[in-house]
Amino acid sequence: DIVMTQSPDSLAVSLGERATINCKSIQSVLYSSNNKNYLAWYQQKPGQPPKLLIYWASTRESGVPDRFSGSGSGTDFTLTISSLQAEDVAVYFCQQYFSTPRVTFGQGTKLEIK
Amino acid sequence: EVQLVESGGGLVQPGGSLRLSCAASGFTFSSYSMNWVRQAPGKGLEWVSYISSSSSTIYYSDSVKGRFSISRDNAKNSLYLQMNSLRVEDTAVYYCARDVAAAGYFDNWGQGTLVTVSS
Repeated sequence: DIVMTQSPDSLAVSLGERATINCKSIQSVLYSSNNKNYLAWYQQKPGQPPKLLIYWASTRESGVPDRFSGSGSGTDFTLTISSLQAEDVAVYFCQQYFSTPRVTFGQGTKLEIK
Repeated sequence: EVQLVESGGGLVQPGGSLRLSCAASGFTFSSYSMNWVRQAPGKGLEWVSYISSSSSTIYYSDSVKGRFSISRDNAKNSLYLQMNSLRVEDTAVYYCARDVAAAGYFDNWGQGTLVTVSS
C-alpha cells in the first residue's frame, strides 16, 4: 500500500489568515506517461461525508471556492486555504489514487479557528 | 442532482452478517465504477471495495477480503455490500462513493450508514 502521511495532525489559524496542510506519500504518485499526479484532497465537516475539493493535485472541483488551492508533485503535496473562513473548519484528507482502485488516504488534519 | 443513499446498517454480534445497500439517482449509474469506503468512529478513511461499471472487475482491501462481497444491480441503480463474519474492528460508518471516470478519486459520497459490531 502507498502510505500517505499528513502534517500537522491539527492546526489552528486565525480568520483571514493562510492555512497550509501537507501530505507526503511513501512513493511517487506522478504517472510519467501523462505527467499527472494522482492526488486528491477532501474536506469533511462533522456529521457529513467527505467532499471532494481538489484532484490531479491542483484541479479545483466545480463549486469549490478559489481560496482553496493544491500544489506539489511526486511525493510532496500541499493544500492551501488563502484566507480562512469560519465555514472552513473541518478535517482535511489527502488521497492517492496512483494505485487505483486500491486507494489510500492520509490520516487527516483537523483545522480549527485560533 | 446526484444522490447516493446508504441503508442496512445496524448493531450485529461478532461473527454475524449484514447487507448494505446504496441507492443511486441523478446520474447514469451503469456508467460509473463504485466503491465502499469506511470510517471507524473518530478515525480516518479506509477504502473497502471497488466494482467496475459492468461488475467485471472487483477488488477488496486485505482487511475484508474473503468476508465481504460487493455487487451491483444496474437495472435497480443499486450497489450492495454483503458483510459476513463481522468483527469488532469492522465497526464504522460505511460510505458508498462514485468513482470519477474510474480514475480513482470520488466526486460524490452518500451520507453513510453505521455498522456496529458488538456483543
